[in-house]
This record gives sequence, C-alpha cells and structure tokens, in this order.
Amino acid sequence: IAGITQAPTSQILAAGRRMTLRCTQDMRHNAMYWYRQDLGLGLRLIHYSNTAGTTGKGEVPDGYSVSRANTDDFPLTLASAVPSQTSVYFCASSPGLGETQYFGPGTRLLVL
Amino acid sequence: GEDVEQSLFLSVREGDSSVINCTYTDSSSTYLYWYKQEPGAGLQLLTYIFSNMDMKQDQRLTVLLNKKDKHLSLRIADTQTGDSAIYFCAERMDSNYQLIWGAGTKLIIKP
Repeated sequence: IAGITQAPTSQILAAGRRMTLRCTQDMRHNAMYWYRQDLGLGLRLIHYSNTAGTTGKGEVPDGYSVSRANTDDFPLTLASAVPSQTSVYFCASSPGLGETQYFGPGTRLLVL
Repeated sequence: GEDVEQSLFLSVREGDSSVINCTYTDSSSTYLYWYKQEPGAGLQLLTYIFSNMDMKQDQRLTVLLNKKDKHLSLRIADTQTGDSAIYFCAERMDSNYQLIWGAGTKLIIKP
C-alpha cells in the first residue's frame, strides 16, 4: 500500500514559470489537503477538498489553484511562480474532513 | 486569529524523559494532535487526544491536556536517538475542521 505519493520530490523553478505538483492517494479518502511548510512557521493550509468535485481555500491560497476531478488525485498548480513560493509542500488526506490526516513525503520547491 | 505555540528547540540526554509543550487558543477544539517529522520526511501521526480526556498513554508516549490553561504536552519516556525529530502540535478547529499547527519543536538528543 503506497498511501500518499507526491511528485516531483524536488524542483528548481524559474520565476514566472507554471508548475503543477502532483498528489495521489490510494486509501479512498474523501478529503485532501495541500500545505506549505516554512521554517519557523509550521504548516499553513493552502487549499483543501472535502470530496471529489469540491475544493476550498485555506489560510494562504493566493498564487495557487487546485482541482479534484476524482477521489485519488489532488494536483496543486502555481500559475506563475514567485520566489516567495519557495517552500516544502505537503499533501495530506483524511477519510473525511476533520478526521486524522495522513501526509505524503513532500515536494521541495525552489523558485529563483 | 487562532494560534498554537511551541518552543522551537528542546535538548535532552539519551535515556531521560522529554517533555514537549504546546499552548493553543481555541477552547472549543475537540481534537488535539501530535505529529512527528523526521529529517527529509513527511509528517506522521504520533497520537491524538480528545478534549474530554486529561491524559492518554501509549507505550513511551504520554499526552497531558489541561483544558483550563489550554496547554498540551507530550512526554517521551527513555528518549532514544531515534526520537530525534521535529514534533508538531495541532488543534482541530470545530468551526471548519481545519488544523491549526504549531511551528514545531526540534528535539535534540545528547549522548
């Protein structure tokens, strides 16, 4: 059982470029989440999805978009990357919204 | 807004007990969590506690909850080198089910 996978593991990106971070879970969880982790700030929620076909904004949604076409996949897109989006991005899922969350291994993104 | 606070570092000797503290602000939170993040890895759930409990024990881990003071602690007995990690406290907001995270406490083990 893979749980949650994220791709790529790491990426260096030029400012202004478009980038999609991929997240896939095989646990048939309804809810999925994207966080960014910055030193000294803990995790901040970017976007979430309660179930396939629905998405919601978290604490820091600006500059990011998500889609949830099916239960398993929850991609995060940076339409035009900026250096302040340099961070470690974690995808998580839970059986339902508000239930215990399980995390992927993370994607390290450097925007130059 | 709601906030969760933790000390950034804790240093303990191998074999001693580690106590990681956390304070939160939302008194209506039903669930409070402890997650562990090892270097270069994602977060893994260590344990959680319901707000109607004062204590929860699981092998070397003991969670204490003081609702009056909005204080949560994680005690690790007989700390080992494998316990070296960052420990995150999080509270679940009952209003929207979102988790509010602390900044994490880096546990450093001295030989």
